[in-house]
Amino acid sequence: AQKVTQAQTEISVVEKEDVTLDCVYETRDTTYYLFWYKQPPSGELVFLIRRNSFDEQNEISGRYSWNFQKSTSSFNFTITASQVVDSAVYFCALDTYNTDKLIFGTGTRLQVFP
Amino acid sequence: GAVVSQHPSRVICKSGTSVKIECRSLDFQATTMFWYRQFPKKSLMLMATSNEGSKATYEQGVEKDKFLINHASLTLSTLTVTSAHPEDSSFYICSAREGGRDEQYFGPGTRLTVT
Repeated sequence: AQKVTQAQTEISVVEKEDVTLDCVYETRDTTYYLFWYKQPPSGELVFLIRRNSFDEQNEISGRYSWNFQKSTSSFNFTITASQVVDSAVYFCALDTYNTDKLIFGTGTRLQVFP
Repeated sequence: GAVVSQHPSRVICKSGTSVKIECRSLDFQATTMFWYRQFPKKSLMLMATSNEGSKATYEQGVEKDKFLINHASLTLSTLTVTSAHPEDSSFYICSAREGGRDEQYFGPGTRLTVT
């Protein structure tokens, strides 16, 4: 079965702090894709990253970075020098080649205070 | 590119009536569209997958007769909530995929309130 676990329900930080959002996934498929989405209060999902199972390279995009480790089935997301505009719910999701459907984690609500 | 729209963005309807939500891919042809439901402060749950020209595939526990999905063209899918009840109140989000294993592009969502 496919599953995505985001153990952190809510995180609160003060602006300029670094914050890491955890994501652990389960699948028996060898070909899969991992995603992170941001959902601000408006509700619209904002795509952040897609990573396939054969690419374990970490990625950095501005203040965002992602750490993909197959050995621990984790795909963690770090925001460096957080800003108030980063306040949102962040979802990690898994799509496997065999199931062909996105399975979302329960989300982590990030609040960044000025 | 890859823009998906939903209409309406918000709708309030009375219990017992039906409401239709449209999902359109504006700049690409979507061979597959997905419908998700999201309760307040909860995750997105896939309701059904629809391929253009064929019947939708519903996830376990989703009532086919309650949530009618039509994917009549490569740019439009509709979700009709029939005989709506207050428990159907939710945020409905569609996504569209051009083909194969391309990623899904999400619409902005429709907030349904049934009174």
